[in-house]
Amino acid sequence: QVQLVESGGGLVKPGGSLRLSCAASGFTFSDYYMSWIRQAPGKGLEWVSYISSSGSTIYYADSVKGRFTISRDNAKNSLYLQMNSLRAEDTAVYYCARGLQSLPFFDYWGQGTLVTVSS
Amino acid sequence: AIWMTQSPSLLSASTGDRVTISCRMSQGISSYLAWYQQKPGKAPELLIYAASTLQSGVPSRFSGSGSGTDFTLTISCLQSEDFATYYCQQYYSFPPTFGGGTKVEIK
Repeated sequence: QVQLVESGGGLVKPGGSLRLSCAASGFTFSDYYMSWIRQAPGKGLEWVSYISSSGSTIYYADSVKGRFTISRDNAKNSLYLQMNSLRAEDTAVYYCARGLQSLPFFDYWGQGTLVTVSS
Repeated sequence: AIWMTQSPSLLSASTGDRVTISCRMSQGISSYLAWYQQKPGKAPELLIYAASTLQSGVPSRFSGSGSGTDFTLTISCLQSEDFATYYCQQYYSFPPTFGGGTKVEIK
């Protein structure tokens, strides 16, 4: 069965960095576009970033552009999100999610990893 | 970016009720709309995509309609497990955007 398992979250000071990972299994990872989506505590969903199956096409939300970098390693069935210059407003649960039909809507989501940015 | 207005933000209903949730776009998106259900402490789950296509495994009491700028999610006969928060999402253009959510609570 399809599984997405995020890791790498934690507490970090403003201005700090963190790298999130998402381990995929149960499907041919290299065939699917992937995204990161976040949810601040008690708030709604916010799409963060998107990467095509080969990694050749990438998009970012304006709120993270220039600070976050999405990448993938198809040989390791893994998705990553490098987060630099973190701000308090980046505090959220971060989900990785699989895109369906090569479009940015999402049929499988991981359980999420909490990132807290606080001094 | 395409803005979405989802309403109501809170809906009080009883088991067995028929409920509808609306999502209005700031511009036309054809049928590039998805609906998700999220329960507390859990990841969202895809219910409907392409405005009206039921995701595999989703009960038939859920249905979606609309195109262009106005969309609706209907739950025909609310069950206890349906009390949750629902989100619409457009994927017509980047950035994909989500509605603010509708919490369906027990009346």
